Amino acid sequence: AQSVAQPEDQVNVAEGNPLTVKCTYSVSGNPYLFWYVQYPNRGLQFLLKYITGDNLVKGSYGFEAEFNKSQTSFHLKKPSALVSDSALYFCAVRDKAGRRALTFGSGTRLQVQP
Amino acid sequence: DAGVIQSPRHEVTEMGQEVTLRCKPISGHDYLFWYRQTMMRGLELLIYFNNNVPIDDSGMPEDRFSAKMPNASFSTLKIQPSEPRDSAVYFCASSPDRVSDEQFFGPGTRLTVL
Repeated sequence: AQSVAQPEDQVNVAEGNPLTVKCTYSVSGNPYLFWYVQYPNRGLQFLLKYITGDNLVKGSYGFEAEFNKSQTSFHLKKPSALVSDSALYFCAVRDKAGRRALTFGSGTRLQVQP
Repeated sequence: DAGVIQSPRHEVTEMGQEVTLRCKPISGHDYLFWYRQTMMRGLELLIYFNNNVPIDDSGMPEDRFSAKMPNASFSTLKIQPSEPRDSAVYFCASSPDRVSDEQFFGPGTRLTVL
């Protein structure tokens, strides 16, 4: 079975400061990893994904994520946070050889203060 | 492309009534997913289809829930009879056939069962 853990319910950061949203995963094989963002009353929007190759993945809106196989982590990062980044962030995983559906983490609410 | 389209956006009904949620996936996508989002349980996969065929319905809560995909451009999720505990936001998502591709989410249907 595959699973995702997002240990922080909420992350608070000041505008202009770097941000990190944590994610660890568990799969039986090699993972496909994703980050999605959800704004109020909206569906999930894709931010970035790790499939293979470089461990540092760059995505939309200046976000990036670092894949660490030994720590089974896929933390989301941004060098300088914006107030408009405030939203709910979901990490998701899928086993390359397994079913096509994603398993999502519980979500982390990011609050960026002006 | 207009993206994944869901209707209605909001549905309020009384316990015992039948509810039908509708989804139009992105044209050309071979996979369609139904998810449910609640505060208590987060994002849960209910069922997914590949080329209109249900592949995994292990997430469907009980016999009151049913899903169909009569053609490549339309799917329904039906709840009969509805119960207050079914109140949630229901998302439809679609994905191309490439195994590495992300899922594209619709805006969701907010269901309230009184």
